[in-house]
Amino acid sequence: GENVEQHPSTLSVQEGDSAVIKCTYSDSASNYFPWYKQELGKRPQLIIDIRSNVGEKKDQRIAVTLNKTAKHFSLHITETQPEDSAVYFCAASKHNNDMRFGAGTRLTVKP
Amino acid sequence: EAEVAQSPRYKITEKSQAVAFWCDPISGHATLYWYRQILGQGPELLVQFQDESVVDDSQLPKDRFSAERLKGVDSTLKIQPAELGDSAMYLCASSLGTSGGETQYFGPGTRLLVL
Repeated sequence: GENVEQHPSTLSVQEGDSAVIKCTYSDSASNYFPWYKQELGKRPQLIIDIRSNVGEKKDQRIAVTLNKTAKHFSLHITETQPEDSAVYFCAASKHNNDMRFGAGTRLTVKP
Repeated sequence: EAEVAQSPRYKITEKSQAVAFWCDPISGHATLYWYRQILGQGPELLVQFQDESVVDDSQLPKDRFSAERLKGVDSTLKIQPAELGDSAMYLCASSLGTSGGETQYFGPGTRLLVL
């Protein structure tokens, strides 16, 4: 089955700096790659997603890149703010929506 | 904006007892998922429904866990008997269909503590 690995497990950056989180997946049939943000005690919320027919997608300060050949995708957050502090999860799914999540990255943005 | 509803939000039980969790997906969403999230880890799929039918329950510990979605709308996840290792967050999610690449919307979760 699909295996999603996520790095780093923790990330601390200074406010205003950029943050990058990387994920790899094992199943070449995976075609949908969402990123979720989970604040303490709250539900995971979708922040951005990318499909396998696209290499990059951007939404304001957040961008995601996908390298299908290498089977890895990354989340980029620019101009980080303290409210970006949360746990971020990557995921990969196939045509049947069988979604596998990474272990998560705890991002801390220091003011 | 419509959201996935879950109850209870918190549940404390003793081992060997039975517990049940309820989920109401976003109206019109055909697909419903139950996930278990152990502290410090990502969600793991337990069971996936398409309308009232189970699509995937390969990761569901069927000796103690059961799930149903009788009318294809809301769903119940049951654990009987609960074990200490079942302590986790149980998340429900829903998506519009199963055509692939469907955004899954999560509920607030039920945090279970088994003593």
